[in-house]
Amino acid sequence: GQNIDQPTEMTATEGAIVQINCTYQTSGFNGLFWYQQHAGEAPTFLSYNVLDGLEEKGRFSSFLSRSKGYSYLLLKELQMKDSASYLCAVWTGANNLFFGTGTRLTVIP
Amino acid sequence: DAMVIQNPRYQVTQFGKPVTLSCSQTLNHNVMYWYQQKSSQAPKLLFHYYDKDFNNEADTPDNFQSRRPNTSFCFLDIRSPGLGDAAMYLCATSRDPQTYEQYFGPGTRLTVT
Repeated sequence: GQNIDQPTEMTATEGAIVQINCTYQTSGFNGLFWYQQHAGEAPTFLSYNVLDGLEEKGRFSSFLSRSKGYSYLLLKELQMKDSASYLCAVWTGANNLFFGTGTRLTVIP
Repeated sequence: DAMVIQNPRYQVTQFGKPVTLSCSQTLNHNVMYWYQQKSSQAPKLLFHYYDKDFNNEADTPDNFQSRRPNTSFCFLDIRSPGLGDAAMYLCATSRDPQTYEQYFGPGTRLTVT
């Protein structure tokens, strides 16, 4: 089976940095995604990692360690609009994208 | 703008009454997906179409069917909705099976009374 674990909830302060962790055990690995999902809306793509290391994109960075089955999403200079769920998803191959249950991030003033 | 469109955004149906959700895309992508997302849970893939080839996930109930009459449109039919089928239904597309990025529609929230 596929197992993708994330913390259920996190709270952070506006302007701060927050790291959301994801561990996975899947049958096959072709890449790992992070999506942002606001309540009642569809997921939107944030990042994709297929090789080990850090990918930076503006205020968002994503890290992958394939040997450890571990990834994190780093959000810098938090803004109130960053309050959302963040979904970790593993692509095991063609058409097979498995999502974690998501981490609900609340940004407080 | 090219996009994935789902109608309606909110759908209410009665227990056992068939309901159809629709998805259209202007991206001309070959693959279309249907996901079910229940409250506080991960999206779960129900099935996908690669062009006209239908691929059902092993644990998708028979109650769920899909049609893809052309490249642009894909429908999700729930033949006899139960209370447990209340969820957000997400449509997504990708250019081809080897393309990792999926583009999601806004979703249809289904309520079963």
